[in-house]
Amino acid sequence: GAGVSQTPSNKVTEKGKYVELRCDPISGHTALYWYRQSLGQGPEFLIYFQGTGAADDSGLPNDRFFAVRPEGSVSTLKIQRTERGDSAVYLCASSFAGDYGYTFGSGTRLTVV
Amino acid sequence: AQSVTQLDSQVPVFEEAPVELRCNYSSSVSVYLFWYVQYPNQGLQLLLKYLSGSTLVKGINGFEAEFNKSQTSFHLRKPSVHISDTAEYFCAVIAGGGTSYGKLTFGQGTILTVHP
Repeated sequence: GAGVSQTPSNKVTEKGKYVELRCDPISGHTALYWYRQSLGQGPEFLIYFQGTGAADDSGLPNDRFFAVRPEGSVSTLKIQRTERGDSAVYLCASSFAGDYGYTFGSGTRLTVV
Repeated sequence: AQSVTQLDSQVPVFEEAPVELRCNYSSSVSVYLFWYVQYPNQGLQLLLKYLSGSTLVKGINGFEAEFNKSQTSFHLRKPSVHISDTAEYFCAVIAGGGTSYGKLTFGQGTILTVHP
């Protein structure tokens, strides 16, 4: 596609539920990143994929968070046992390897009630 | 670890006036520097980046920024703003000269509001 696509754009879930957030990167981009942006804050790094593998997952806050990219294209961020503190906008970005001009998607706004 | 400080959380300005959004960073290693803009309910759009070379970097929409290594700053400027420049602006850094690529560290953001 022309840009990075994230679905859903909005997700409301109950505390304790499981959610999946999807990211479709720009075709041919081998690098993919997830960030989390809480209200009034700058985005914070979660995880970085180069191809299918997670090259850096140091930003994942705890073991309730997990992300996959099985075929080196689409990525899914998975959150188990959601908590109200997980409410934020989750942003995905992609780029060619070694290119610092990341393209961000519009994000998924997650609200845990 | 690196950090980014945006010195102003909000900057109001009149249309056609000049503007400067301030950004300071801290890092014990060399850095790459970026400015992003975020319009309401949209993702981040890259305005400009400094990787190496000339310290004055020109970006899209008439913005420019200057890398000052001695002052560890990367301030964003525009000589004449438009109503359409109203948005939130984020300064960001990648530390390590590329060895830690992928991990952008962002500032808290500066909301620029352009008044008619």
